[in-house]
Amino acid sequence: EVQLVESGGGLVQPGGSLRLSCAASGFTFSSYSMNWVRQAPGKGLEWVSYISSSSSTIYYADSVKGRFTISRDNAKNSLYLQMNSLRAEDTAVYYCARGSGLNQFDYWGQGTLVTVSS
Amino acid sequence: SYELTQPLSVSVALGQTARITCGGNNIGSKNVHWYQQKPGQAPVLVIYRDSNRPSGIPERFSGSNSGNTATLTISRAQAGDEADYYCQVWDSSTSYVFGTGTKVTVL
Repeated sequence: EVQLVESGGGLVQPGGSLRLSCAASGFTFSSYSMNWVRQAPGKGLEWVSYISSSSSTIYYADSVKGRFTISRDNAKNSLYLQMNSLRAEDTAVYYCARGSGLNQFDYWGQGTLVTVSS
Repeated sequence: SYELTQPLSVSVALGQTARITCGGNNIGSKNVHWYQQKPGQAPVLVIYRDSNRPSGIPERFSGSNSGNTATLTISRAQAGDEADYYCQVWDSSTSYVFGTGTKVTVL
C-alpha cells in the first residue's frame, strides 16, 4: 500500500524557516517524481514544487521561487521542502504528492499544517 | 500564465447526474485530471488523462475533454459524492495548474 506521511509543520514567525519532510513507503520511491502542493485555509489547491526521480529536474511556483528548496533522499525514501523567508500568505496545509506518467498526482499524504504568524 | 475556471458550486438531486466544467484555453489539447476532496481529507485522484478512472473509483465517475472545456460527470449521485472537485493540467509555461474548485452538493 502506498503511504506518504508528512511532518515538520508548525507555527513560525514571519521571516522564519521551516523544513517539511515526507516519508514514503509501499512503492519504489526512486522511480517516481514527487511534488509539494499546498492549500490555504478555505482556499483551493496550489502546486508548489516538483522534483524528478533523480533530482535532475526541479520546478517551483513563482510564489515560492527563491525562498523554498525541494530535495529528496532516495536512500531514505524521503522528500523534503526547506522553506525560508516565510510570509503570512504561506500559511497552508502542505501535501506531498506522487507524480505519475501524465503529470497527474496519483497519491497524496494527509498533509501538515504550516502557520506563519507573529 | 495558464488558468482553469470552474463553477463555484454545483447542486444535484440524489440519484441524478452532476456535470462539473473546467474551462481553459484550448484545454482539449491537454491531459486533464480530476481530484475529489472531502472536508478535512487529502485530495483523491478520480479521473486521469481526460476520461480514465484509477482502480477503485466507481464507474459513475466519467470525464470528457474537447475544445475549451473539460467535464467531470457524476452519474447516479450519492450523498458520499459531496465534496470539492478540482481539475488539473500541466502547462509548459506554468507547470502544474489547478482549477478554482467546485463544491458539489447532493440534495
